[in-house]
Amino acid sequence: EAGVTQSPTHLIKTRGQQATLRCSPISGHTSVYWYQQALGLGLQFLLWYDEGEERNRGNFPPRFSGRQFPNYSSELNVNALELEDSALYLCASSARTGGPWEAFFGQGTRLTVV
Amino acid sequence: GNSVTQMEGPVTLSEEAFLTINCTYTATGYPSLFWYVQYPGEGLQLLLKATKADDKGSNKGFEATYRKETTSFHLEKGSVQVSDSAVYFCALGDYKLSFGAGTTVTVRA
Repeated sequence: EAGVTQSPTHLIKTRGQQATLRCSPISGHTSVYWYQQALGLGLQFLLWYDEGEERNRGNFPPRFSGRQFPNYSSELNVNALELEDSALYLCASSARTGGPWEAFFGQGTRLTVV
Repeated sequence: GNSVTQMEGPVTLSEEAFLTINCTYTATGYPSLFWYVQYPGEGLQLLLKATKADDKGSNKGFEATYRKETTSFHLEKGSVQVSDSAVYFCALGDYKLSFGAGTTVTVRA
């Protein structure tokens, strides 16, 4: 069974540009989470999508946005890139079964803003 | 809101030493607790989990017990190896994962 896949692996953008990151969840998983792992800041929750809807977002400005498609894959868009957006962006997916759950992570997209 | 406080590193140990990484949490309700590991150059992997009080999660020689009375979920391993060098994250799960800051562990031969 394929795990969570993210693309691209690396992305280099210049300040002010837009970046689009993609995530394919594990088959059967309906929830997708996005996290930012910036150097020295640990893992910060960005967004949660479930069944095509945004369910919650972390403390990030509106230029961080995304969507979830009918096949449950997801995109994260970052507009008006700033240098401090340079980070590893991790996507995770999970399935709600009514009981305990766990999120499985992709390898991440390394975004570098120059 | 829910949050996790994790012992800060870095932690440097010799091979076969005992490892403890402290983790305490603040939560309403009864969340699940997790330890994730991130090896150099890799993404996060679930190491172990516990879903209710007094549950003990274990994997690869690591253990952690969900202690409701002390709101803790400390990670332990009795004899570490060089291959255990990684960043370890404690996490609390409700509708999302709330992570601790991560603890960098380096094991020297």
